[in-house]
Amino acid sequence: GEDVEQSLFLSVREGDSSVINCTYTDSSSTYLYWYKQEPGAGLQLLTYIFSNMDMKQDQRLTVLLNKKDKHLSLRIADTQTGDSAIYFCAERGGGSGGYQKVTFGTGTKLQVIP
Amino acid sequence: NAGVMQNPRHLVRRRGQEARLRCSPMKGHSHVYWYRQLPEEGLKFMVYLQKENIIDESGMPKERFSAEFPKEGPSILRIQQVVRGDSAAYFCASSPPDQETQYFGPGTRLLVL
Repeated sequence: GEDVEQSLFLSVREGDSSVINCTYTDSSSTYLYWYKQEPGAGLQLLTYIFSNMDMKQDQRLTVLLNKKDKHLSLRIADTQTGDSAIYFCAERGGGSGGYQKVTFGTGTKLQVIP
Repeated sequence: NAGVMQNPRHLVRRRGQEARLRCSPMKGHSHVYWYRQLPEEGLKFMVYLQKENIIDESGMPKERFSAEFPKEGPSILRIQQVVRGDSAAYFCASSPPDQETQYFGPGTRLLVL
């Protein structure tokens, strides 16, 4: 099956930029997603990028996609304590007949130090 | 437009009992997905349903687990004869017909004693 890999943990100081990285194996991915999960809560869709794009910016969030290397990153500018959460990378692809399964990474726990 | 709703939020069962988890998708969404999250792990896909049809159940254990999405009412994930290893957070997501994005519910946290 398809695989999505993320580092488990990232610690940054408040005000710095955070960069969370993700690699995936599915060469037929169509969409790639970033979700945020706060303790005890569900997953909140932060942003997503279509596979024919290489960058997307949305306020403090910048997504970079290197399709050749199958590498996705999420940059959070001016990281705040409220950004502390687990961030999941996910990719959609590999299916047929109109159905494309979404595969999630194991999540990166971001800790923001005041 | 209310988001994806799941109930109960927390469920405690003793070994051997049945657990029923409910999911109401967002209005206008006809696709429902169930995922399981074990402690300190990512999400594992279980099953994908459209109204009255199971499209992909490749992630569902072969025994004790079943899912449905009837014409009327919420989607139900049913776990029969629960065991301690079933303790996890179960998340439901829904998507519109184009399936471009999935929106998640708050999850049901199942604890099996």
